[in-house]
Amino acid sequence: DTEVTQTPKHLVMGMTNKKSLKCEQHMGHRAMYWYKQKAKKPPELMFVYSYEKLSINESVPSRFSPECPNSSLLNLHLHALQPEDSALYLCASSQLDRGLYTDTQYFGPGTRLTVL
Amino acid sequence: QKEVEQDPGPLSVPEGAIVSLNCTYSNSAFQYFMWYRQYSRKGPELLMYTYSSGNKEDGRFTAQVDKSSKYISLFIRDSQPSDSATYLCAMTGSSNTGKLIFGQGTTLQVKP
Repeated sequence: DTEVTQTPKHLVMGMTNKKSLKCEQHMGHRAMYWYKQKAKKPPELMFVYSYEKLSINESVPSRFSPECPNSSLLNLHLHALQPEDSALYLCASSQLDRGLYTDTQYFGPGTRLTVL
Repeated sequence: QKEVEQDPGPLSVPEGAIVSLNCTYSNSAFQYFMWYRQYSRKGPELLMYTYSSGNKEDGRFTAQVDKSSKYISLFIRDSQPSDSATYLCAMTGSSNTGKLIFGQGTTLQVKP
């Protein structure tokens, strides 16, 4: 099973709201990723977690707050977003082999976020 | 100059045609090469994964890597309307940071 699930599928929020995106995988992967994708653009890396610890933050604004509560779950907490943050948010996961990333990343279907 | 260049298309072909999709790159440290297929409003799906140079075949799909020319290709034989999607190349180096470098994606339309 190479499935990464994401909820919700769609989310509409105002600029003052607080919401969370959720991602889950049961492949035993120990690396998990958040990406942002705008229309007709490739995914842009936001965060990388390895062994439940944040290892890469690609200078993402603090209104995006990631959390990895356990090896299967990844959350992205959203607060005070701007309309330009509207995008498809993708979660991905991959194996870690003795701390090294195996670069086959499996993506979830994404959450389509609209900020009004 | 971007690290990975990919023609965004769109590329339109008749059903049954052989499709060739390509990416060029500038970083000679790249060793892992991937092709993802992304249908409209869906997440990317891994199609092919190649380490270093050479060819890899899976059904109607063939991936080629030429590290001397810094050029990778994906060939689709007997293309079908269901192959209509955006194809993203992605690559990374041996430093293994987990960070993939993506091309811009090529939009393919296969007409019945």
